[in-house]
Amino acid sequence: GNSVTQMEGPVTLSEEAFLTINCTYTATGYPSLFWYVQYPGEGLQLLLKATKADDKGSNKGFEATYRKETTSFHLEKGSVQVSDSAVYFCALSHSGAGSYQLTFGKGTKLSVIP
Amino acid sequence: AAGVIQSPRHLIKEKRETATLKCYPIPRHDTVYWYQQGPGQDPQFLISFYEKMQSDKGSIPDRFSAQQFSDYHSELNMSSLELGDSALYFCASRGGRSYEQYFGPGTRLTVT
Repeated sequence: GNSVTQMEGPVTLSEEAFLTINCTYTATGYPSLFWYVQYPGEGLQLLLKATKADDKGSNKGFEATYRKETTSFHLEKGSVQVSDSAVYFCALSHSGAGSYQLTFGKGTKLSVIP
Repeated sequence: AAGVIQSPRHLIKEKRETATLKCYPIPRHDTVYWYQQGPGQDPQFLISFYEKMQSDKGSIPDRFSAQQFSDYHSELNMSSLELGDSALYFCASRGGRSYEQYFGPGTRLTVT
């Protein structure tokens, strides 16, 4: 079946540091890939997406590239801010899964300190 | 822009009681999803509806049922509540050929 593996957290960085959160997936065919962010006490917000190999999703300074050869979709940001502190979920959806429901990774908690 | 609306935002129930959670998708979105997120866990897919018909089923207990109505809103009915049902319940909606799901703020259910 489909699965997503994320690097274990928590991750603590100083402001303006470089961020990488690793994400790899297992799926047949060509899933769509997503990063969602969850701020404390809030719901899930779509951060970025990529729907085919070599696509790069980007938003708010975050980027991730769909790498089919390594089945990866790592999240990066060049300079994090305190306001980026949140839990980040990598997810996939697949047309073979009926209704394109999302399969999530376990989440990575990011804390950015001033 | 209109977002997904969920009600209530918080709900406290006792064991063996029933609960009903409501979801109002983004206008013109035809697919609704329900997810359950336990404390410190990732969201788990429960069930989905497309054009008022159940389209897929995940790890939804038999004690739970759901439906989508003619106005596209959806309700998740939970009976014989157990302590382990305490979680955040998210509704998400998707429209047309878009791959993107948009989540509501969630309903936090506490079973005591």
